[in-house]
Amino acid sequence: EVVLTQSPAALSLSPGERATLSCRASQSVATFLAWYQQKPGQAPRLLIYGAANRATGVPARFSGSGSGTDFTLSISSLEPEDFGVYYCLHRRTWPLTFGQGTKVEIK
Amino acid sequence: QVQLQESGPGLVKPSGTLSLTCAVSGVSINSSNYWSWVRQPPGRGLEWIGEIFHNESPHSKPSLQSRVTISIDKSKNQFSLKLTSVTAADTAVYYCARGGVIAAAGFYDYWGQGLLVTVSS
Repeated sequence: EVVLTQSPAALSLSPGERATLSCRASQSVATFLAWYQQKPGQAPRLLIYGAANRATGVPARFSGSGSGTDFTLSISSLEPEDFGVYYCLHRRTWPLTFGQGTKVEIK
Repeated sequence: QVQLQESGPGLVKPSGTLSLTCAVSGVSINSSNYWSWVRQPPGRGLEWIGEIFHNESPHSKPSLQSRVTISIDKSKNQFSLKLTSVTAADTAVYYCARGGVIAAAGFYDYWGQGLLVTVSS
């Protein structure tokens, strides 16, 4: 089973700042990795799939990079609505697994 | 527009069976997509339960495999989850989701709103 470790656990940034979130896999998942945003009381929202492809309707300030075991989600200029918990998910092999999440707080 | 909607009991007794259904609209359940279940215990992270593609054998989380059944009902355009021998540890919000093979390389692009299931006597 692939273990995904996200860092940091939480970060607090001001609007306009850049956010950098990390997801590290215990073994290579190639580019079979996605990023999700979840706000309280809501279902997760797909942001990035295939490590670097923005999902439909996702603003250009969100970008993903990486392959193998190290991945990054960047938010170039934080907007107030970008608060929430961000999860990575791999689908390189079964079972799929999620990272434990990174909580983003907007100051 | 693709929509998914979970339904089922919100309260299940310990040692009982949790049975949920996900009604799919806007796309055929026969289409080339993954149909999945994900859960989230209160205040905690997301946990993948399992998925099924067409009517192939489903795949599930190894620690749940002996208790989980995922199946498709083509006639009703829906899929379901059964989890047996539940305990309080199975209390969670249960989500159904579609893994869009063409739209999102199999990743979950459409989700239901979630259903809180509490295991308690």
